[in-house]
Amino acid sequence: AQSVAQPEDQVNVAEGNPLTVKCTYSVSGNPYLFWYVQYPNRGLQFLLKYITGDNLVKGSYGFEAEFNKSQTSFHLKKPSALVSDSALYFCAVREAGGGNKLTFGTGTQLKVEL
Amino acid sequence: DAGITQSPRHKVTETGTPVTLRCHQTENHRYMYWYRQDPGHGLRLIHYSYGVKDTDKGEVSDGYSVSRSKTEDFLLTLESATSSQTSVYFCAISELAGGHTGELFFGEGSRLTVL
Repeated sequence: AQSVAQPEDQVNVAEGNPLTVKCTYSVSGNPYLFWYVQYPNRGLQFLLKYITGDNLVKGSYGFEAEFNKSQTSFHLKKPSALVSDSALYFCAVREAGGGNKLTFGTGTQLKVEL
Repeated sequence: DAGITQSPRHKVTETGTPVTLRCHQTENHRYMYWYRQDPGHGLRLIHYSYGVKDTDKGEVSDGYSVSRSKTEDFLLTLESATSSQTSVYFCAISELAGGHTGELFFGEGSRLTVL
């Protein structure tokens, strides 16, 4: 069965510093990986995805993610954090087979401080 | 923003009562989903649909049923609500055809409290 692990419940970073939110996955076959962001009392918003191709994927709001097949990781990164980036971030993996079902991690709360 | 509307957005009910949550989309996407979000568990799939009248169970389907009689509507029913079903419920849609690559788009959520 496929799974996603987000090892950090919370990440704190100072504004202007680089940020990394970690994600590792387990899936049979080729992985399709996604990052979502959730602001308080809102639904999840799609940030970026890895399907195939370049290991560095660029997405919305200056975020990017690096796919590493050997380490089965898909870490979310941003070179310079903003206070407005503070939110809950979810990594997700598409299951093998039909149905386009995504399995989500438990989420990482990002707090960016001045 | 994707055209997804969930109703009701907030509901308080009592144990043992039936509850139906509605998800309506205007995007004509094939796939629709119901997830629940709980602290420490992230999002867990309850049921999903891959077409009209085509549905399947997810990870936490016990106590829930769904129906999809039209492309645009996906209903989630709790036949007899329990306190363990207090949660925030999210509907999502996706599409793989026509150049779409399957990312999910989410509604704003329905907060259900079962007393």
